[in-house]
Amino acid sequence: SQKIEQNSEALNIQEGKTATLTCNYTNYSPAYLQWYRQDPGRGPVFLLLIRENEKEKRKERLKVTFDTTLKQSLFHITASQPADSATYLCALDITGNQGGKLIFGQGTELSVKP
Amino acid sequence: GAVVSQHPSRVICKSGTSVKIECRSLDFQATTMFWYRQFPKQSLMLMATSNEGSKATYEQGVEKDKFLINHASLTLSTLTVTSAHPEDSSFYICSARDSGTGLSSREQYFGPGTRLTVT
Repeated sequence: SQKIEQNSEALNIQEGKTATLTCNYTNYSPAYLQWYRQDPGRGPVFLLLIRENEKEKRKERLKVTFDTTLKQSLFHITASQPADSATYLCALDITGNQGGKLIFGQGTELSVKP
Repeated sequence: GAVVSQHPSRVICKSGTSVKIECRSLDFQATTMFWYRQFPKQSLMLMATSNEGSKATYEQGVEKDKFLINHASLTLSTLTVTSAHPEDSSFYICSARDSGTGLSSREQYFGPGTRLTVT
């Protein structure tokens, strides 16, 4: 069956450390993979997109890797800050055309302590 | 950046009534909008893809006669929950993709969500 899984446990880290979140999937072949941030009671906010033929993408303190052999993406936040506390969602973009349907993981809740 | 609004942000209705939720792209055009539902502590579940000027595409298990979607313009899609029941209580979120071409059009811009409570 098709599945997309993220760290189910909440991630608690100290300010200044690097947070690493995992997204694994089975029986999908996404052309793209996207990461979003969601705060309580709000809609998700786009962070990064990575293509299937890209290994790594960076944006400021954020880094995403995409391994289509392992069927895994890692999302890193370096020099984490309490303001980074939120739920982070990975999403598979599984249609190759302009349709762009996203399938979301359940999210990982990150808490950064000062 | 691209902004998507939703209205209302919260609604409480009685069982058996219908509720309409609006989703607007404020500063871009969107030929495609998406409607999601999210239960507490769960992921976003795609309900349907709304296409401007044509019928919506519903995901498996979503009743199209219960969740009516209309995408009459490039900036507005509406979701009507008909004959709502308590089990329809949820957080409904829409998103839109910019109709521009290229990689940047694959990201989705989400609305702030609508909290529906059916009593």
